[in-house]
Amino acid sequence: GENVEQHPSTLSVQEGDSAVIKCTYSDSASNYFPWYKQELGKRPQLIIDIRSNVGEKKDQRIAVTLNKTAKHFSLHITETQPEDSAVYFCAACWGGWGKLQFGAGTQVVVTP
Amino acid sequence: DGGITQSPKYLFRKEGQNVTLSCEQNLNHDAMYWYRQDPGQGLRLIYYSQIVNDFQKGDIAEGYSVSREKKESFPLTVTSAQKNPTAFYLCASSIGVQGDSEQYFGPGTRLTVT
Repeated sequence: GENVEQHPSTLSVQEGDSAVIKCTYSDSASNYFPWYKQELGKRPQLIIDIRSNVGEKKDQRIAVTLNKTAKHFSLHITETQPEDSAVYFCAACWGGWGKLQFGAGTQVVVTP
Repeated sequence: DGGITQSPKYLFRKEGQNVTLSCEQNLNHDAMYWYRQDPGQGLRLIYYSQIVNDFQKGDIAEGYSVSREKKESFPLTVTSAQKNPTAFYLCASSIGVQGDSEQYFGPGTRLTVT
């Protein structure tokens, strides 16, 4: 089955700096890669996703890049703000039906 | 918070007792899922259902059971056979049955078994 590894497990950044979270996956058949954000005490919510026919996707301060050859994808947050503090999960969709396999999560702390 | 709801928010049980967690959605979504969240382990899939009266095991189904008698409802029973049931349980739904549909999560139920 699919295996998704996520790094780092924790990330501290100064407000205004950029944050980068990296994930690798094992199944070359995976073709959908979403990122979910979970604020403390709240439910995970989709913030951005990318499909295998695209190498990069941006949405305001958030971008995701995908390297299918190397089987890794990354989340980039620019101009970080305190409200970006949360746990971020990457995931990969694999298998005929397409179950999501989640990474272990990255705790991002943005300090003023 | 409409959409997808879970109850209760906190649940306490004694070891050896079965317990059922509720999940309801009014989004008219076909697919529903149950995940378990433990610190440092992300979200792990317990069961999923693509259609009423049908469901499939996920990666960690042992000790759990589900039913899907109605489109809106997907209750999860944590049985006494689950060796380490204390965890945060999240229910989710998606409009499509393919994995590349956005999943909408409920607020979760924190289960503590002593």
